[in-house]
Amino acid sequence: GAVVSQHPSWVICKSGTSVKIECRSLDFQATTMFWYRQFPKQSLMLMATSNEGSKATYEQGVEKDKFLINHASLTLSTLTVTSAHPEDSSFYICSATQGANPTGNTIYFGEGSWLTVV
Amino acid sequence: DQQVKQNSPSLSVQEGRISILNCDYTNSMFDYFLWYKKYPAEGPTFLISISSIKDKNEDGRFTVFLNKSAKHLSLHIVPSQPGDSAVYFCAAKFGNEKLTFGTGTRLTIIP
Repeated sequence: GAVVSQHPSWVICKSGTSVKIECRSLDFQATTMFWYRQFPKQSLMLMATSNEGSKATYEQGVEKDKFLINHASLTLSTLTVTSAHPEDSSFYICSATQGANPTGNTIYFGEGSWLTVV
Repeated sequence: DQQVKQNSPSLSVQEGRISILNCDYTNSMFDYFLWYKKYPAEGPTFLISISSIKDKNEDGRFTVFLNKSAKHLSLHIVPSQPGDSAVYFCAAKFGNEKLTFGTGTRLTIIP
């Protein structure tokens, strides 16, 4: 079946630096990719929606200048956390869909990336 | 404003018995509902879904029930197995819009 892969699985970075997380759809063209953040013992909170070739749509309260999202191709979206701080430490998950009105079997989640800012 | 809520943060069930996880929503526009299973530091795994035109969907040990008038859905797992221990999230969407996740319920199956 379709697979969405995230890289890195985990990353530790120093406060003030930037870190990039990649989300790749391995065997299908993802017209839409979503980025979520999950704090420990909390729900998955949608950060932004990105469509290939256009600017990402950010959810209320998410700083677009801090969380840069690029969806330059149909198989790759990147999330860059700029000037990271310890409060940005979280589990980041992407998902990808293909076509209109996706269902449970056509919404694919990555394995997630654990970011720790020290 | 939490549009999708799971009021039980945790649930413990004896192995072999039925597990019932509940989810309530407030947005009447939602027309598609999903259940996901999730382990720590992993992405969610899709379990089962239901369209708003149905009130029940069954897949093996998993059955989802939808009560639109009450804006309530539930996931039944029977019989429960130790491997079912995980956090379960319900999610909802309408049309091409984003998924909105519930707060999650940690299910523990007691051997």
